Amino acid sequence: DTAVSQTPKYLVTQMGNDKSIKCEQNLGHDTMYWYKQDSKKFLKIMFSYNNKELIINETVPNRFSPKSPDKAHLNLHINSLELGDSAVYFCASSQDLAGGQDTQYFGPGTRLTVL
Amino acid sequence: AQKITQTQPGMFVQEKEAVTLDCTYDTSDQSYGLFWYKQPSSGEMIFLIYQGSYDEQNATEGRYSLNFQKARKSANLVISASQLGDSAMYFCATGGGTSGSRLTFGEGTQLTVNP
Repeated sequence: DTAVSQTPKYLVTQMGNDKSIKCEQNLGHDTMYWYKQDSKKFLKIMFSYNNKELIINETVPNRFSPKSPDKAHLNLHINSLELGDSAVYFCASSQDLAGGQDTQYFGPGTRLTVL
Repeated sequence: AQKITQTQPGMFVQEKEAVTLDCTYDTSDQSYGLFWYKQPSSGEMIFLIYQGSYDEQNATEGRYSLNFQKARKSANLVISASQLGDSAMYFCATGGGTSGSRLTFGEGTQLTVNP
């Protein structure tokens, strides 16, 4: 049983298109996250939801919009894709806020390539 | 704001030997967590070990131990009896305190285990 799953694993698309990445966790966690890993492998948080409520919204272009239909799912929609959006996007989840010290478990990542 | 520094872009170790991966952090928070993750070439992010700032004992998980020196703000990962499968990128991260649940990652250390 996969704890945190993401679809698709690979996404290749043209500049200007709109695409979505889906994430699901079966750990019963309350908090979910999106991280971006750039070409230099640097990981940076983008968004976080706790029980469907947005709690972290880093300086990310408005073209990126997360949506959490329930606490087990967190999707990422990206409008008007740009070359610079090419990266690996990781979904993660943790039990609850607990002062931010709960272990975050990551999904397998989605490698987005914008041509 | 929290910051993680990993000064070793690449490390090499012989199989069956121990290796230490360095991590220093910068935070003004009293309560925080320190994490290590492994990213093999397949790309997934695997949680290895956690240390809370108030934990007096160094964390251990199997062949992994965290050498926590609070006064020096260091949280080095020690891998004992290295195996070929340990070859991967290793990330140190911190979370909690005023940064809430966001994890701040270092730039990573690429470990290569030689036979």
